Amino acid sequence: EDQVTQSPEALRLQEGESSSLNCSYTVSGLRGLFWYRQDPGKGPEFLFTLYSAGEEKEKERLKATLTKKESFLHITAPKPEDSATYLCAVRLNYGGSQGNLIFGKGTKLSVKP
Amino acid sequence: NAGVTQTPKFRVLKTGQSMTLLCAQDMNHEYMYWYRQDPGMGLRLIHYSVGEGTTAKGEVPDGYNVSRLKKQNFLLGLESAAPSQTSVYFCASSSDRVQPQHFGDGTRLSIL
Repeated sequence: EDQVTQSPEALRLQEGESSSLNCSYTVSGLRGLFWYRQDPGKGPEFLFTLYSAGEEKEKERLKATLTKKESFLHITAPKPEDSATYLCAVRLNYGGSQGNLIFGKGTKLSVKP
Repeated sequence: NAGVTQTPKFRVLKTGQSMTLLCAQDMNHEYMYWYRQDPGMGLRLIHYSVGEGTTAKGEVPDGYNVSRLKKQNFLLGLESAAPSQTSVYFCASSSDRVQPQHFGDGTRLSIL
């Protein structure tokens, strides 16, 4: 069964305290891994797409990396405005589900000043 | 620069009532999707469309119907609402299967 697991479920950091969020997956025919940010009462906002092991993408204090079985979202020197739920999704590429995404449950990040 | 717009934003229904959720996108995207998001669960795909006039079932399609009569609009219908359909519903669109999906801000639906 295709699965996406994110850990931890919740993470509390002090401002400036760097850490990483994990997204592990067991899917057949992976064709892309996506990271989204979701603020309370809002829809997910696209951050990154990763396609192959070893690939890295960066945006401000965020850096996403990908291996064959998992992805990490590294947050360097976070600020309170980085507080949000971060969602990971993988794109399938087989059968009638080509292009469809499977989402993890998310990691809720809180950054205290 | 609206992107993906969902209406209504909030709605309360009684069991057995029907309603339609509207999603409109102004990015000329071919693909559109309806998801539901429940506490403790990831976003789950209800139905999707790969172009005007087409629809397909996702992971959790039972109890819902959809229509894509115009390229920019994707409608989600509940014919006879049930309490289990209480959720936050998100619409998304993308230009093709490869590109990222862009989401609206959701419709919060409560069924009593």
